[in-house]
Amino acid sequence: GESVGLHLPTLSVQEGDNSIINCAYSNSASDYFIWYKQESGKGPQFIIDIRSNMDKRQGQRVTVLLNKTVKHLSLQIAATQPGDSAVYFCAENNNFNKFYFGSGTKLNVKP
Amino acid sequence: GAVVSQHPSWVICKSGTSVKIECRSLDFQATTMFWYRQFPKQSLMLMATSNEGSKATYEQGVEKDKFLINHASLTLSTLTVTSAHPEDSSFYICSVDSGDSRREQFFGPGTRLTVL
Repeated sequence: GESVGLHLPTLSVQEGDNSIINCAYSNSASDYFIWYKQESGKGPQFIIDIRSNMDKRQGQRVTVLLNKTVKHLSLQIAATQPGDSAVYFCAENNNFNKFYFGSGTKLNVKP
Repeated sequence: GAVVSQHPSWVICKSGTSVKIECRSLDFQATTMFWYRQFPKQSLMLMATSNEGSKATYEQGVEKDKFLINHASLTLSTLTVTSAHPEDSSFYICSVDSGDSRREQFFGPGTRLTVL
């Protein structure tokens, strides 16, 4: 499958600060991307998605940015809360129904 | 979205035995399901695509004779790890495909397999 994501980093932020999580993807044909949140021992949980015809999409407290030129995604979480602590994965899709996941980023929110 | 369950949530077995993991779509008829494997502190790796009424398609490097997939109904896919060994210990997660242009996937809670 495609190679998605960076070597797993850990991001520590203070409660209330904004968080930015990054992801690189390698398949320029990918046209749909999703950010997932995974808590320990659980399955992934959908956060937000974006299609390749957009470069920004906003949800509640979250924003995804897509830069197709450099094949880069980012997830911005505003006013990070302790409940946001988890591992975050980006996943890419290229017009078939398979998704390939990046290596993930662990987010630690300090109270 | 679809509600997806997995059974068992965790299982411990002896080396050499076979283990069956079930993935159920509780409120959605799923033509296509997916199976992933996740080792500790690593990402989800797509193992195979489970197709209702036909053979599963496996990703490169995944042994189809070791990981048997059966998708006999629109609500159930099973993954059987045959002759399990300690290196098969992992978190196995299934997902259900929305089957439409949205390309959404709904994930199960996962099954933790430990092979002694």
